[in-house]
Amino acid sequence: DAGITQSPRHKVTETGTPVTLRCHQTENHRYMYWYRQDPGHGLRLIHYSYGVKDTDKGEVSDGYSVSRSKTEDFLLTLESATSSQTSVYFCAISESAGGNTGELFFGEGSRLTVL
Amino acid sequence: DQQVKQNSPSLSVQEGRISILNCDYTNSMFDYFLWYKKYPAEGPTFLISISSIKDKNEDGRFTVFLNKSAKHLSLHIVPSQPGDSAVYFCAAISSGSARQLTFGSGTQLTVLP
Repeated sequence: DAGITQSPRHKVTETGTPVTLRCHQTENHRYMYWYRQDPGHGLRLIHYSYGVKDTDKGEVSDGYSVSRSKTEDFLLTLESATSSQTSVYFCAISESAGGNTGELFFGEGSRLTVL
Repeated sequence: DQQVKQNSPSLSVQEGRISILNCDYTNSMFDYFLWYKKYPAEGPTFLISISSIKDKNEDGRFTVFLNKSAKHLSLHIVPSQPGDSAVYFCAAISSGSARQLTFGSGTQLTVLP
């Protein structure tokens, strides 16, 4: 199994509060991704990183920011959480862009509930 | 507008029979297609893939078929086993430097013993 750890695994918070999810990898992969999974939508890309301090937006980036100060850590921040951000968040890693042939390795997910 | 569509949210199949999961896409720039499998409370895991230059790829009990003219791909599982019960996501990669995955909404497969 790829060494990917997400924390926290579960979080309940209130609307308007800031939330940070952490993804830590031990594989030294260059690319890291944050996805959200929602019923009827599958997995949608929020942000991704192609190196330390190099990040870009995905399909559903509004309301989210990311940071990558070290190869192994990729943080996802909700500056002011809203109920629409209630979701399961997955971190993924790959050696090359899109895994070159699409093979990403996913973490176990972080379930966020915004009340 | 969803570029990768899985129109069947769920599918039930008897153990030992064939499971066929379908996926349609609209973007002609997609050049690589994949299937991921997801169990509850776990992250998705890569299952099988196919390049747009091929029309079939087989790996054990799993075979993926690609029909480019119809913009359609399917995953066949033969024979189906109860352990195959999971959500299956179809995904595609667009040619170009970004090469990000676009996922379908998933199909819940239940294999009945």
